[in-house]
Amino acid sequence: DQQVKQNSPSLSVQEGRISILNCDYTNSMFDYFLWYKKYPAEGPTFLISISSIKDKNEDGRFTVFLNKSAKHLSLHIVPSQPGDSAVYFCAARVYGGSQGNLIFGKGTKLSVKP
Amino acid sequence: NAGVTQTPKFRVLKTGQSMTLLCAQDMNHEYMYWYRQDPGMGLRLIHYSVGEGTTAKGEVPDGYNVSRLKKQNFLLGLESAAPSQTSVYFCASSAPLRPLAGTYNEQFFGPGTRLTVL
Repeated sequence: DQQVKQNSPSLSVQEGRISILNCDYTNSMFDYFLWYKKYPAEGPTFLISISSIKDKNEDGRFTVFLNKSAKHLSLHIVPSQPGDSAVYFCAARVYGGSQGNLIFGKGTKLSVKP
Repeated sequence: NAGVTQTPKFRVLKTGQSMTLLCAQDMNHEYMYWYRQDPGMGLRLIHYSVGEGTTAKGEVPDGYNVSRLKKQNFLLGLESAAPSQTSVYFCASSAPLRPLAGTYNEQFFGPGTRLTVL
């Protein structure tokens, strides 16, 4: 039973355009959502997070939107760059959950073409 | 700062062999975690620790044991390796949660250990 779902295994975008990565969740008790980026042969690196009490968080080219009623969040990258090509994981934490344990989606592989 | 380091980077075991994966962090983090990642899957939590001398089970703990004898180190042991434990293992660490501040402390990940069990 997947609580965090990334239904698109891959996404291809042209350099300079917008990349939109989507994530759906089923657990209403999640209080934080995070996006991690992973290059091959490296560990995931934190990208951006959003609290469940907010609907938008922005950091440079990266913006995360949260729609609690739809249990949906998305990561927008504008403009997309070839260096953004990586696997992006959506993750969530249950409110009051044990010491920050995260539940991860399966990831979406983003390819940004020059 | 080296951040989070993992030893070894690669390992091949035969079924039934044992081994220990070492994770070390130099950020003075209280919390440490072990995850596994399988093809087409997200990261799944194996065990975690909220401080020196304490450990707890995560989502997929069977077949693994852990120890946190020193704050900076978190060891993951496989007593009798099985082919189903072929995976990439990631260690992570973080500062404690700060509920009153309403913030979430990100987890910092190591580069991973690729383990193959034949």
